[in-house]
Amino acid sequence: EVQLVESGGGRVKPGGSLRLSCVASGFTFSSYTMNWVRQAPGKGLEWVSSISSISSYIYYADSVKGRFTISRDNAKNSLYLQMNSLRAEDTAVYYCAREVYRGRGTYYFDYWGQGTLVTVSS
Amino acid sequence: SSELTQDPAVSVALGQTVRITCQGDSLRSYYASWYQQRPGQAPVLVIYGENNRPSGIPDRFSGSSSGNTASLTITGAQAEDEADYFCNSRDYSGNHLVFGGGTKLTVL
Repeated sequence: EVQLVESGGGRVKPGGSLRLSCVASGFTFSSYTMNWVRQAPGKGLEWVSSISSISSYIYYADSVKGRFTISRDNAKNSLYLQMNSLRAEDTAVYYCAREVYRGRGTYYFDYWGQGTLVTVSS
Repeated sequence: SSELTQDPAVSVALGQTVRITCQGDSLRSYYASWYQQRPGQAPVLVIYGENNRPSGIPDRFSGSSSGNTASLTITGAQAEDEADYFCNSRDYSGNHLVFGGGTKLTVL
């Protein structure tokens, strides 16, 4: 059974830092591109960042570029998101999600974690 | 544009058919995927690619695409289909992903 379990969320003051983790099980983690997606309270989904299977390709949303760093450790089946210079608008539930590419323009997230809440407030 | 546009809210009578749409230039190059999200839960993939359902998704869910518009159709909506639905695709660069703003479906 595929499982993604996030951790590391919590309350932090503006300007602070936090590191999120996502531990994967039930599949060959090193074969998949992984993503972070967030959802502010009462709002929609926002893609944050993606990292390819062996970290060759890394991309960020403009809203977090320069402040957040995505990484992975395939030996530990783990995905990370280092979040620095946090702002109130970063308050959200952060999900990790497995990405699948099926060719011919077909991409999708087939498994999601349960999410971890990050609250940025003084 | 890298945006995907969805109607904020749609309603459907129990047992009737409803279509939820998603518009964006990137949909001319990439298929949309669709996610159902119930309150307090993580999103669940319901449709991907041309018209594919993951295992466990009822066949009343279907997808289609034409030009810059992707559609999610629920044929014979059930009470448990009441949820938020989000579309997702690559942006025009192909490197970033983008979500639609979401459609809140109410089953009357």
